[in-house]
Amino acid sequence: EAQVTQNPRYLITVTGKKLTVTCSQNMNHEYMSWYRQDPGLGLRQIYYSMNVEVTDKGDVPEGYKVSRKEKRNFPLILESPSPNQTSLYFCASSSSVRSFPLHFGNGTRLTVT
Amino acid sequence: GQNIDQPTEMTATEGAIVQINCTYQTSGFNGLFWYQQHAGEAPTFLSYNVLDGLEEKGRFSSFLSRSKGYSYLLLKELQMKDSASYLCAVNPGGYNKLIFGAGTRLAVHP
Repeated sequence: EAQVTQNPRYLITVTGKKLTVTCSQNMNHEYMSWYRQDPGLGLRQIYYSMNVEVTDKGDVPEGYKVSRKEKRNFPLILESPSPNQTSLYFCASSSSVRSFPLHFGNGTRLTVT
Repeated sequence: GQNIDQPTEMTATEGAIVQINCTYQTSGFNGLFWYQQHAGEAPTFLSYNVLDGLEEKGRFSSFLSRSKGYSYLLLKELQMKDSASYLCAVNPGGYNKLIFGAGTRLAVHP
C-alpha cells in the first residue's frame, strides 16, 4: 500500500531534550516536506526537500533541522525543543517537485513541557 | 503577503447542500486545492482547480475564479461522515509549496 509513515504518533517530552520524528514514504517520491498545524493558523511549511541531499527552509524553520540521505526518509530533528514547538506535525510527499497532490502522513502530536 | 481566508465553522443538516468559501491573496498562483481532514488525522486530497470554472467529482464540486481570488467547495447530499475540517490551499508557484487557510470545521447534524 502506498503511504507516508510517521513515527511516533504521539510524543511528550521536556524542554531541551533532543528528539527526532521519522518520516518514510514507499512511493519513490522525490519531493518531501514537513508542516506543522496549529489551531487558527492552518498548516505551515517547516522544511522541504526536492531530492536526496537537497533541502531548504520553508516558512517556519527556526528550531528545526532536517536531512535527506535516502530518497525514502526525511526525518525532522528538534535539537532543543521548546514549548512553542508543541504542535501537530505532518510529513508530506509527491512524485516530483511540481507534481500534485501532496500525500500526507498520519501526523505526530508533539507536546513539549 | 500571503493570505487565505475561509470561515471558521459551519453547520449543516444531513442530506442538504453546503458551500464553503475561500478567498486568497498570494504572490503567485499555480492552482488551488481542497483537502478534507478529520480530527487528528491526515489531510486527504479532494480537488484541484487551476483554470476558472467548476470541477465536479461525485458529491463534491469545486469552483475557481482567478480574477476574484475566490473558490468554493460544494458538498451535496451531506452525510454524517462529512463532518470534518475542509482546508483551502494555494500553490503560489515555483515548487510544491502549499499555503493553507486555517480550515473550516463543518458539523453535519441529523
